[in-house]
Amino acid sequence: AQTVTQSQPEMSVQEAETVTLSCTYDTSESDYYLFWYKQPPSRQMILVIRQEAYKQQNATENRFSVNFQKAAKSFSLKISDSQLGDAAMYFCAYRRETSGSRLTFGEGTQLTVNP
Amino acid sequence: NAGVTQTPKFQVLKTGQSMTLQCAQDMNHEYMSWYRQDPGMGLRLIHYSVGAGITDQGEVPNGYNVSRSTTEDFPLRLLSAAPSQTSVYFCASSLWGRGDGYTFGSGTRLTVV
Repeated sequence: AQTVTQSQPEMSVQEAETVTLSCTYDTSESDYYLFWYKQPPSRQMILVIRQEAYKQQNATENRFSVNFQKAAKSFSLKISDSQLGDAAMYFCAYRRETSGSRLTFGEGTQLTVNP
Repeated sequence: NAGVTQTPKFQVLKTGQSMTLQCAQDMNHEYMSWYRQDPGMGLRLIHYSVGAGITDQGEVPNGYNVSRSTTEDFPLRLLSAAPSQTSVYFCASSLWGRGDGYTFGSGTRLTVV
């Protein structure tokens, strides 16, 4: 079974600084997808960024980028120029390439942004 | 386009009571699922469905039932509520065969006393 691990229950960053959230996963598959979701206090789950395992290039969405290390099974999220609105719980998630496969989540990292 | 609609947003139940959490999506997504979120444990899969008439169990199915009579609706039934089912519940959907992330409902906070 696939597992996803986020080893940082809590992180903090100063406004305008950069922070990196860690995620590791375990799988025997070669094709899969990885995601970062943001959950603000409103509770809504918001997709931040996704990465296809067959792509070597790291995904980027504005201030959010990932460092995908397939051999190390590592998938970290970097938030640049942190803003107060980035404060949230962040979840790393894994999905096999197989049609209709389930999404497996990590435990989450609570990010605090200090003004 | 409403996306995924979950009702109710909040609910308090007494131990032993039953209830149904409603989930509807208007995106013609084949795949629908229910997760529960507990502190320090992320989101865990309860049940999922790959199409009308087809359902299967996830990681933590005990105490819950589902059915999928239409593509749009995927209700979650708590048969006899227990305090251990106090949690936040999310319904999510996605297209079949795509590597897209899921679209989530806004969640239901359930407290069982």
